[in-house]
Amino acid sequence: EDQVTQSPEALRLQEGESSSLNCSYTVSGLRGLFWYRQDPGKGPEFLFTLYSAGEEKEKERLKATLTKKESFLHITAPKPEDSATYLCAAGGGDYKLSFGAGTTVTVRA
Amino acid sequence: GAGVSQSPRYKVTKRGQDVALRCDPISGHVSLYWYRQALGQGPEFLTYFNYEAQQDKSGLPNDRFSAERPEGSISTLTIQRTEQRDSAMYRCASSPRPGGDSPLHFGNGTRLTVT
Repeated sequence: EDQVTQSPEALRLQEGESSSLNCSYTVSGLRGLFWYRQDPGKGPEFLFTLYSAGEEKEKERLKATLTKKESFLHITAPKPEDSATYLCAAGGGDYKLSFGAGTTVTVRA
Repeated sequence: GAGVSQSPRYKVTKRGQDVALRCDPISGHVSLYWYRQALGQGPEFLTYFNYEAQQDKSGLPNDRFSAERPEGSISTLTIQRTEQRDSAMYRCASSPRPGGDSPLHFGNGTRLTVT
């Protein structure tokens, strides 16, 4: 069975304090690794797709990387508006996405 | 452009009643997914469709849950004889193509409360 585990569960950062979120996955036939941002009361908002080990994607202060077993979401010099829950999901050979429980990031000014 | 639309936004029902939750996907999107999300957790897969065909319903908790997408566009998730444990946020998502390598675009969900 596909499994996606995210750590830490929660992360409190000072504005400007860079950090990384971890996503470990066990998926048969990985077809894509996805990162989403979710704000309170909203649906998950798509950020990145990574397809193969070694791939990296960047968007503003966020950078996602992928290995054969893990993905990392690096937040560089975060701002309060980066506060959200970040979800990782893996798409496997069964064509559905399995999600982790998320990491809730709080950035204090 | 318009995103995924779900209705109602909130639904309160009494135990034993049937409910129908509606999803209107992004126009032209082939695949449509239903997920359920508990507070503090990631979305949990329920079922998905490619066009009008239900491809996988392995995540539906029991036979009180069913879903349809008769014309390959709008979908309805129906829960019969609701129970308190069915209370959750139900999320719909669509994708331009099938395959698990295409990102899902989520709606804002329907919050179901069974009293």
